[in-house]
Amino acid sequence: QVQLVESGGDVVQPGMSLRLSCVASGIIFSSHGMHWVRQAPGKGLDWVSFIYSDGSNQFYADSVKGRFTISRDDATNTVYLQMNSLRVEDTAVYYCTRDRAKAFLDSWGQGTLVTVSS
Amino acid sequence: EIVLTQSPATLSLSPGERATLSCRASQYVARSLAWYQHKPGQPPRLLIYDTSNRATGIPARFSGSGSGTDFTLTVSSLEPDDFAVYYCQHGNSRLFTFGPGTKVDLK
Repeated sequence: QVQLVESGGDVVQPGMSLRLSCVASGIIFSSHGMHWVRQAPGKGLDWVSFIYSDGSNQFYADSVKGRFTISRDDATNTVYLQMNSLRVEDTAVYYCTRDRAKAFLDSWGQGTLVTVSS
Repeated sequence: EIVLTQSPATLSLSPGERATLSCRASQYVARSLAWYQHKPGQPPRLLIYDTSNRATGIPARFSGSGSGTDFTLTVSSLEPDDFAVYYCQHGNSRLFTFGPGTKVDLK
């Protein structure tokens, strides 16, 4: 079955950088777009970024545009989220999710916690 | 930018009761709307996609309806496992948005 495993979450200070990874198994990774979605403490779900299956396009929420970069490595079935200039408001559990039809998200990882605090 | 609003914010019901959750889009989204269930400590789970299609393994007591800007998720008879937060979501190939969620809790 589909398995998505995130890693890389940590406690960092504002302004620092962090790279999240998500390794996929049980799927033909190169056939699927991938997203990152986050949930801040006590808040709802917040879409962050999306990369097409062929890596040709990447899209971002306005709140992270210019600071975060999504990428993928089909050789290792991994999607990344490079997070620069982190802010306190980026504190959240970050989920890796599989895209379906460029419309909805049908498989989710367990999430990795990013805490930005001075 | 499409904004999704959900109502009510909280729904207090008992097992066996019917739950009706609403999601309204700020612009026309055709039938491109999904619903997710989220419980504490777990990842969200896709319930419904394209307004009314149940995802794999989702029980028949969950159903979705609507089109255009107004959508509904119905749970015909609540099971103890159904008490959770429910989110609607729209995607248009480039931008994706979630509603603020409806919490279904035990009355």
